[in-house]
Amino acid sequence: DIQMTQSPSLLSASVGDRVTLNCKASQNIYKNLAWYQQKLGEAPKLLIYNANSLQTGIPSRFSGSGSGTDFTLTISSLQPEDVATYFCQQYYSGLTFGSGTKLEIK
Amino acid sequence: QVTLKESGPGMLQPSKTLSLTCSFSGFSLSTSGMVVSWIRQPSGKSLEWLAAIDWDGDKYYNPSLKSRLTVSKNTSNTQVFLKITSVDIADTATYYCARSEATVGVPNWFAYWGQGTLVTVSS
Repeated sequence: DIQMTQSPSLLSASVGDRVTLNCKASQNIYKNLAWYQQKLGEAPKLLIYNANSLQTGIPSRFSGSGSGTDFTLTISSLQPEDVATYFCQQYYSGLTFGSGTKLEIK
Repeated sequence: QVTLKESGPGMLQPSKTLSLTCSFSGFSLSTSGMVVSWIRQPSGKSLEWLAAIDWDGDKYYNPSLKSRLTVSKNTSNTQVFLKITSVDIADTATYYCARSEATVGVPNWFAYWGQGTLVTVSS
């Protein structure tokens, strides 16, 4: 099984900050990675697929990068509505999700 | 407009069989490339992909749970079902269905999700 490790587990930042969330795969998954945002009490929402492709309707302040084993989700200017837990998911072999990063406003 | 909605028993006893239904609209599961998956999430925890069925009727299972899972669809391609046998407390979770598009049927990313249905296993 491919394990996905996200860091940090909790991130506190101020409105307007540039925020970086990390996701590491236990083996090479090329660019077979998606990012999701989950707000409290809601279903996950797809943000990024194929590591760096922005899903339709998602604000351009969200971006993804990386390939192989190391990936990053960046929010260029944090907004209050970005408070959520963010999950990465690999689909190279089977489908597995990371443990999540909870993003709070400082 | 693509929508999915899960339904289930709410609560059931350990050792019973859990039956879930995903009803969807805005697409047909007979359309090439369509895949519907089941994913669950215990409260406060991460997500676990369980099973999927594609437009051709091919089925995919999480290897760690495969012996307990059965995924199927109706003949009109508007509903997908999941059965989980011998449930225990660890199966307590919110269960989601979600849609992918794929060229070879294996699910990739999930662009559309249902609202989820909470299932509690308790005696």
